[in-house]
This record gives sequence, C-alpha cells and structure tokens, in this order.
Amino acid sequence: QTVVTQEPSFSVSPGGTVTLTCGLSSGSVSTSYYPSWYQQTPGQAPRTLIYSTNTRSSGVPDRFSGSILGNKAALTITGAQADDESDYYCVLYMGSGVRVFGGGTKLTVL
Amino acid sequence: QVQLQESGPGLVKPSGTLSLTCAVSGGSISSSNWWSWVRQPPGKGLEWIGEIYHSGSTNYNPSLKSRVTISVDKSKNQFSLKLSSVTAADTAVYYCARDATVGRYFDLWGRGTLVTVSS
Repeated sequence: QTVVTQEPSFSVSPGGTVTLTCGLSSGSVSTSYYPSWYQQTPGQAPRTLIYSTNTRSSGVPDRFSGSILGNKAALTITGAQADDESDYYCVLYMGSGVRVFGGGTKLTVL
Repeated sequence: QVQLQESGPGLVKPSGTLSLTCAVSGGSISSSNWWSWVRQPPGKGLEWIGEIYHSGSTNYNPSLKSRVTISVDKSKNQFSLKLSSVTAADTAVYYCARDATVGRYFDLWGRGTLVTVSS
C-alpha cells in the first residue's frame, strides 16, 4: 500500500521560514494528486490550509503557501509565528475516491 | 453555515460494532458533496476511513474496507459509520468531514468524538 511521507518533526525560529514536505514511498507527487494541507492543534479538529497544491483556504494567512518541490508537495510558512506551532498533515488523492494522509509533522516554533 | 456534528456511543466492547452518526445542519446532505469519515488514535496521525455520496455510492480505505459500512439517511440529513469487529486499535477520535465539490479536499470538519474500545 502506498505510504505518504512527512518529516516527523521540524523546528523554526519566530519570523523564520520553514518548508514541510509530503512525498510518496514510491513515485513522485504531482498536481494530479491534489495535495492538500491541514493544521491541527491539540484537542481540535483539523483546519484546512491549502488545497489543489497551492490554493489557500478562506481566511488562511498568505504566509502559508503550497507548491510542488522536486518530487514532493510542499507547505512553506514564511514569517513563522508562535501560534503556527501545530501538527501539519498532508493528504494525497489516489484516485477512485481514495485519500491517504501523511503521518504528520510536528512543528515547533522556538 | 453548514455544520457537522458526530454522535454515538463513547464506549464499545471488543469484537463489537462501532456505530456513529454525523448530522448535517445548515445545508443539505443531497448537495454536490461527498461526505467522509476520518479517525485519529490518541497521540497518532489522521486516517481516512471512507466517503459516501447522497446517492449511496461509497469509497473506502482499502485497509479497512472489509469492516466498514458508510450509509446515508437523506430524510434525517445525516450519514453514518459502522465499523465491525473492533479492537483496542480502533480507539480513536472519529471526525466526519465534507469533501469539497472541487479540488478533492476536506473543506469542513466536525468537532470529533472519542470512541474507546474496551471491555
């Protein structure tokens, strides 16, 4: 079964820039996988950040951006803030309605 | 605006069947959306379980397909999840979510409900 890979953890300094990635255990991620990104803080439901690779969901600050970098989808946070400290999940669409979540990245801002 | 609310027993015995319902308010379940279930074991990541369209068409996670049934009740504007033969590994927060009409992503989430599998 296809595994969607994410960095388990990442840290960034306040005001800094960080890029989280979303890859495949086999193959390359392209726009055809409709990569989407979600932010989750403890005890809360996920919040939709990015969909269709690079479209920000309503109300999401423009410091969050999505792209394809090499063979992976990427979420870049520019000018990180303390309240960006969260878990971040990507989802890839595998076809026939099937979605697969990545394992998530725990982002620390310090 | 549209809201989703999960409900169901918080405790299920091992080998039993987990049953949850997601009520859709502020909108119609017969809109051009698919409706999904997602779960998250304590301290772990998110897992997509499956989805349903108001016509009754479904798609399931291949790893759970043999145990999962998702159904829709248009008269009550809700959809449901049944997961059979549960074990402690099925203990999780279960979320219902709406699939966007375009872009193949989840654009609306319920608050989630914790289901514990224990005797």
